[in-house]
Amino acid sequence: EAEVAQSPRYKITEKSQAVAFWCDPISGHATLYWYRQILGQGPELLVQFQDESVVDDSQLPKDRFSAERLKGVDSTLKIQPAELGDSAMYLCASSSWGDEQYFGPGTRLTVT
Amino acid sequence: GDSVTQMEGPVTLSEEAFLTINCTYTATGYPSLFWYVQYPGEGLQLLLKATKADDKGSNKGFEATYRKETTSFHLEKGSVQVSDSAVYFCALAANTGANSKLTFGKGITLSVRP
Repeated sequence: EAEVAQSPRYKITEKSQAVAFWCDPISGHATLYWYRQILGQGPELLVQFQDESVVDDSQLPKDRFSAERLKGVDSTLKIQPAELGDSAMYLCASSSWGDEQYFGPGTRLTVT
Repeated sequence: GDSVTQMEGPVTLSEEAFLTINCTYTATGYPSLFWYVQYPGEGLQLLLKATKADDKGSNKGFEATYRKETTSFHLEKGSVQVSDSAVYFCALAANTGANSKLTFGKGITLSVRP
């Protein structure tokens, strides 16, 4: 069964350092989402792509976060510089148009 | 804006007990409603969904009915198992064209003891 792949699974970084996460969606899924899940909370959307275009990045802290999906397939989410409050689980999901979202295992980020 | 409210947790039950997890929502229009489950160390998995009023979603013995009049989507299971121990999230999708993001509740942890 096809799955959404994410790497790394765990990342520990120091405050003010740069960090990047990678997501490979299910083949053929045009829509890709990045969510942030703070411990004890539900996931919140950071950015949504349709192919290589951003559909919604209204909740993305653009002063330090960036996301790209250059060829409309895999995607990278970057944080620079990382802050203590960025410690969270970062989840990637993909879907066909208007269909169910499939989630990857997530990247657990700890900022020290 | 859209929001989802879940009952406070955690919930601890004995095996074979009846489960109800409350979920209410606020949204404009006619959202789709979902229950997701997250097992320890894993990503979210779709448990069930309903796309219009009075629809009942069901899977693995879990059920939830889309109640527009009470803006609710409560999750139920008649007899829980230890393997049902997980975090459960209620969510909605606004179905507004290209933007189909999910809005989640805070989640509730269910522990089932043998």
